[in-house]
Amino acid sequence: DSGVTQTPKHLITATGQRVTLRCSPRSGDLSVYWYQQSLDQGLQFLIQYYNGEERAKGNILERFSAQQFPDLHSELNLSSLELGDSALYFCASSAGPYSNQPQHFGDGTRLSIL
Amino acid sequence: AQTVTQSQPEMSVQEAETVTLSCTYDTSENNYYLFWYKQPPSRQMILVIRQEAYKQQNATENRFSVNFQKAAKSFSLKISDSQLGDTAMYFCAFFGNRDDKIIFGKGTRLHILP
Repeated sequence: DSGVTQTPKHLITATGQRVTLRCSPRSGDLSVYWYQQSLDQGLQFLIQYYNGEERAKGNILERFSAQQFPDLHSELNLSSLELGDSALYFCASSAGPYSNQPQHFGDGTRLSIL
Repeated sequence: AQTVTQSQPEMSVQEAETVTLSCTYDTSENNYYLFWYKQPPSRQMILVIRQEAYKQQNATENRFSVNFQKAAKSFSLKISDSQLGDTAMYFCAFFGNRDDKIIFGKGTRLHILP
């Protein structure tokens, strides 16, 4: 058990819809990272928050947004969903702000767009 | 752009054998970090081993060790006395200070056969 909690585990929705994925980091960790894992693109870094502030941005679409709340949990919002957004979305956390530190991953949310 | 290449999409070895997974990367940076992550069928991402580029000594973690060749930009993972529980997808990852984000390879699917 990594200590990182992601909900829901599975999400099935239709094109054009909006969903919110939730992540609670490991106790004491201030950084939260979001990743998208799809069959053709592999594991892609989306965005990082550190102590409530956006710290680094990767290949995140404009239709996607995220935030980290004062209690350090994070939410990833995906809107105007397309078939290609079907993927496994991982959240990870680490203690400090730097990505060179070990990250602890949650079990992921499987998003299926019908 | 920095890239990570895993040239072996899939491998199979017998239990108790030793197996080596290849990873090469491209960067112009001198200080960076390299990682191997394991993703078993349970799909959780687990950090296996971490190497700091400025350290010449190869990192070791129990049955897992790396062969880090900085000049050749190669970072292979050796699994000794392989076990059935080692069956997983293995991802090589690179972190450089310039981009300040982790870049993952596309992974190698490893099957340990009884």
